[in-house]
Amino acid sequence: QQQVKQSPQSLIVQKGGISIINCAYENTAFDYFPWYQQFPGKGPALLIAIRPDVSEKKEGRFTISFNKSAKQFSLHIMDSQPGDSATYFCAARRGNYGQNFVFGPGTRLSVLP
Amino acid sequence: KAGVTQTPRYLIKTRGQQVTLSCSPISGHRSVSWYQQTPGQGLQFLFEYFSETQRNKGNFPGRFSGRQFSNSRSEMNVSTLELGDSALYLCASSLAGFSPLHFGNGTRLTVT
Repeated sequence: QQQVKQSPQSLIVQKGGISIINCAYENTAFDYFPWYQQFPGKGPALLIAIRPDVSEKKEGRFTISFNKSAKQFSLHIMDSQPGDSATYFCAARRGNYGQNFVFGPGTRLSVLP
Repeated sequence: KAGVTQTPRYLIKTRGQQVTLSCSPISGHRSVSWYQQTPGQGLQFLFEYFSETQRNKGNFPGRFSGRQFSNSRSEMNVSTLELGDSALYLCASSLAGFSPLHFGNGTRLTVT
């Protein structure tokens, strides 16, 4: 299976709260998992990325948690801010296929002031 | 470093016409990929070029083609445009190996 499933489709969080977005995959050949943030009228921008041999990676307010056995990974945004309101995409790279990424359908995050 | 540059930003074409989109990658990036983004289908992989060779191809008809030049710049061509080709076309460049894609801001193509 070449799909990456992502949930929820949309998320509303209060300022200062924690935003959690989940992704799941079937293909064990996926070998690299980045998260992207996209604002209207802009291209997706890299937030943070992880390899499957690492269970957690943190960069500032953004943390990826990775569960290799469950084939799931999630993005946590701590202390969510109105400026974080955007669409978030998880992605997975098909190993041995160059830079060929499969993207989740996206989560629209709204952070209320 | 300058980011990925895509031109033009907006295009309006008529059904049956063809269109060429251009992408300049980040300096030093030899891999250039193209994606189609639509509200219904999300981000879908078109193809990837590396050192002027197409290394990967997504599940799109042959009307979609591309090429890469020796300076890593890339172009994408769509022939015989259909209404369903209306989308945001994104170019991304990357280094080899475990490196993320770096996207441009896209070309918004509208087919009427």
